[in-house]
Amino acid sequence: EIQLQESGPGLVKPSQSLSLTCSVTGYTITSGYDWSWIRKFPGNKMEWMGYISYSGSTNYNPSLKSRISITRDTSKNQFFLQLNSVTTEDTATYYCARTWPYYFDYWGQGVMVTVSS
Amino acid sequence: EIVLTQSPTTTAASPGEKVTITCLASSSVSNMYWYQQKSGASPKLLIYSTSSLASGVPDRFSGSGSGTSYSLTINTMEAEDAATYYCQQWSSNPPTFGAGTKLELK
Repeated sequence: EIQLQESGPGLVKPSQSLSLTCSVTGYTITSGYDWSWIRKFPGNKMEWMGYISYSGSTNYNPSLKSRISITRDTSKNQFFLQLNSVTTEDTATYYCARTWPYYFDYWGQGVMVTVSS
Repeated sequence: EIVLTQSPTTTAASPGEKVTITCLASSSVSNMYWYQQKSGASPKLLIYSTSSLASGVPDRFSGSGSGTSYSLTINTMEAEDAATYYCQQWSSNPPTFGAGTKLELK
């Protein structure tokens, strides 16, 4: 069974970088599909942030394009999110998800990140 | 980007009752996708390609629609269906989600 698990710090200071890891088991991320980061803000709004494909190409939400980077470590079957220059508005629960065209079929359990000094 | 407007924002239904949630898109989309999120859990895919049930989803759930108007229907409400439901499109980049409909058990 495919499982995704997010990990990373739960508290980040404003202006710093947010870094999260998604560990995938039950499927090799280079075998196929895209691998996304999605966040849910307090109040329930959800935002797709971007994905890294099985081949390593990336696609980012234009609203985040200058601040976001998604990379991977194929030897560990992990992919990563880095979001730079965070503000309190980046406080959210962050999910990683396997991505079909054009939806998300497997999700991690989510990690809550608070941006605060 | 395409904006998805869900209605109602919140609703409540008794066991056995029929529930319909609507998702209106700001521009025409080819398909709609629906997710269920229970409290403390991650979103779960319910419906893909407008009307196809995801694996393991009970057949009391159904989806329909075209163009700018789509809907999710629960034919007979069960207690376990209390959750927040989201629509999602990816006819154009970036994919976007509706704001969610909270369904409570009456």
